[in-house]
Amino acid sequence: NAGVTQTPKFQVLKTGQSMTLQCAQDMNHEYMSWYRQDPGMGLRLIHYSVGAGITDQGEVPNGYNVSRSTTEDFPLRLLSAAPSQTSVYFCASSYQDPAETQYFGPGTRLLVL
Amino acid sequence: GENVEQHPSTLSVQEGDSAVIKCTYSDSASNYFPWYKQELGKGPQLIIDIRSNVGEKKDQRIAVTLNKTAKHFSLHITETQPEDSAVYFCAASNGASKIIFGSGTRLSIRP
Repeated sequence: NAGVTQTPKFQVLKTGQSMTLQCAQDMNHEYMSWYRQDPGMGLRLIHYSVGAGITDQGEVPNGYNVSRSTTEDFPLRLLSAAPSQTSVYFCASSYQDPAETQYFGPGTRLLVL
Repeated sequence: GENVEQHPSTLSVQEGDSAVIKCTYSDSASNYFPWYKQELGKGPQLIIDIRSNVGEKKDQRIAVTLNKTAKHFSLHITETQPEDSAVYFCAASNGASKIIFGSGTRLSIRP
């Protein structure tokens, strides 16, 4: 198993550009989530999904969209990038719900100029 | 909303000494409390977790204690080693939808 994979590893965007951060898992996990990590702020939940076709907002959802058309994939879309979205983004998954081991991907480092 | 506070933000201990990191949570419905370790350039990885029906759990040099009345839980690392240097996150979940993480503790082990 590859576990949780994320692409790209690093991306530079200009303000106003859009992009999609990809996340995939091959463990047949139902629960998937996106976090951003900023210095001194820990891991903040952006969006999460409890299964295909179901998504919901986390602590900091503004400026981000998600969809879950398959069990395996959970892409995160930045609609119009802003410098405040400069961060490291982590995708995570678990078998069924958040009260289980979360398996994190390697992260995507995003710089918005 | 739910909140998890973590202290200290940085911690430096002599190799061989013990390290303690403390967290408090606000949601009284929280019933799952994991701890994650993040090494440089990697994603966090679970090191130990505890559920609300248990007061203490130990795994070799790592232990976690939970005080439900006070809504706080702690990570204890004994006989610290250089490979324990990392960022540690606590978290809390009520199992329904979300898991909320603390702000992290950067642990440094001095030789």
